[in-house]
Amino acid sequence: EIVMTQSPATLSVSPGERATLSCRASQSISSNLAWYQQKPGQAPRLLIYGASTRATGIPARFSGSGSGTEFTLTISSLQSEDFAVYYCQQYNNWPPWTFGQGTKVEIK
Amino acid sequence: QVQLVESGGGLVKPGGSLRLSCEASGFTFSDYYMSWIRQAPGKGLEWVSYIDRSSDYTNYADAVKGRFTISRDNAKNSLYLQMNSLRVEDTALYYCARVSGYCSGGSCYPGDWGQGTLVTVTS
Repeated sequence: EIVMTQSPATLSVSPGERATLSCRASQSISSNLAWYQQKPGQAPRLLIYGASTRATGIPARFSGSGSGTEFTLTISSLQSEDFAVYYCQQYNNWPPWTFGQGTKVEIK
Repeated sequence: QVQLVESGGGLVKPGGSLRLSCEASGFTFSDYYMSWIRQAPGKGLEWVSYIDRSSDYTNYADAVKGRFTISRDNAKNSLYLQMNSLRVEDTALYYCARVSGYCSGGSCYPGDWGQGTLVTVTS
């Protein structure tokens, strides 16, 4: 089973600033990585798949990069609605799909 | 638009059973793999099970294998999860998800999620 490790656990950012979230896989997963956003009381929402392709309707301020074992989600200029928990998930070696433990982006 | 509505959650004692349902609309249900994913209170996401388009192929997380059964009824646009021998550690919000990508090519992921149904296992 591939282990996904996200860092940091919590990221404090001011509105308008850039946020950079990291995700590491325990072995190479090529570009088979997705990112999800989850707000309190809501279901996760797909942001990015294929490590760098934005899902339908996702604003351009969200971007993903990386391949192999190291991945990054960047939010270029944080808006109030972006404060949430973000999860990465690998789908290269499955079953099982495995998720990172999440990064909470909070207001500084 | 895609809508996934889960139901069937509730309070159950250890060793008990529940059957979750997910009613799908806004897309051709029979064209998609489907999956269940759960989230324990205050915790992260854990994949539970998935099923292919025609119910020929299913798979389960080790934590639920032998106790949970996924199924679907394409005529009713519905996905199910029969949960038997429930344990306290099965307590979670259970999400139904439509799978996106190309599962037959080995590259697919949960694309659209329902709002979840809460299962609480307690004595």
